[in-house]
Amino acid sequence: EIVLTQSPATLSLSPGERATLSCRTSQTVDSSELAWYQQRPGQAPRLLIFGVSNRATGIPDRFSGSGSGTDFTLTINRLEPEDSAVYYCQQYTQSLWTFGRGTRVEI
Amino acid sequence: VQLVESGGGLVQPGGSLRLSCAGSGFSFGSFSMDWVRQAPGRGLEWLSHISTDSRTIYYADSVKGRFSISRDNGESSLSLQMNSLRAEDTAVYYCVRGFLFNSFDVWGQGTKLTVSS
Repeated sequence: EIVLTQSPATLSLSPGERATLSCRTSQTVDSSELAWYQQRPGQAPRLLIFGVSNRATGIPDRFSGSGSGTDFTLTINRLEPEDSAVYYCQQYTQSLWTFGRGTRVEI
Repeated sequence: VQLVESGGGLVQPGGSLRLSCAGSGFSFGSFSMDWVRQAPGRGLEWLSHISTDSRTIYYADSVKGRFSISRDNGESSLSLQMNSLRAEDTAVYYCVRGFLFNSFDVWGQGTKLTVSS
């Protein structure tokens, strides 16, 4: 079973700063099947990034994804108060979908 | 594009419940569908997947043998039959649409299940 480890658990930053969120997988992710989601308090998750680096519809270009193999990163530039949320990475392999435990971003 | 779950509620341990999800605004039959849940104060847990033609179905080990996913493309609906419910099944259950690179691009608002005596 693949395990996704997200770090840090919590990130406290100021508006305008840059957030760098890490997601490490216990096995190599093939076929770029790595996604990121944002979950604001009281809301359902929202897809931000799919295929490691592709922004979902309507996602501002302040959000970017990168990485390969077992190390992946979500970068949020020019933080805004509305970016306060929990961010989850997710991957697919061998008929199983797995989420990381999330990183809480506090603005 | 919208997914609306229903059917959550309070169930005793060992009981059964059926969740439903209604899709609208898109060609339901053209997309794989999944269920994802979130226990109180916890992260996201993928539960089950069903392909467009219902021929391919997968389950997480935590629900295999207890939960059953199905769909009706004519009615644009997805279901999750849950049996032998346990306290640890208490969660918000989300219906989600499969997207590129096996991500999930549309989420319902969730339906809450509480398993308690």
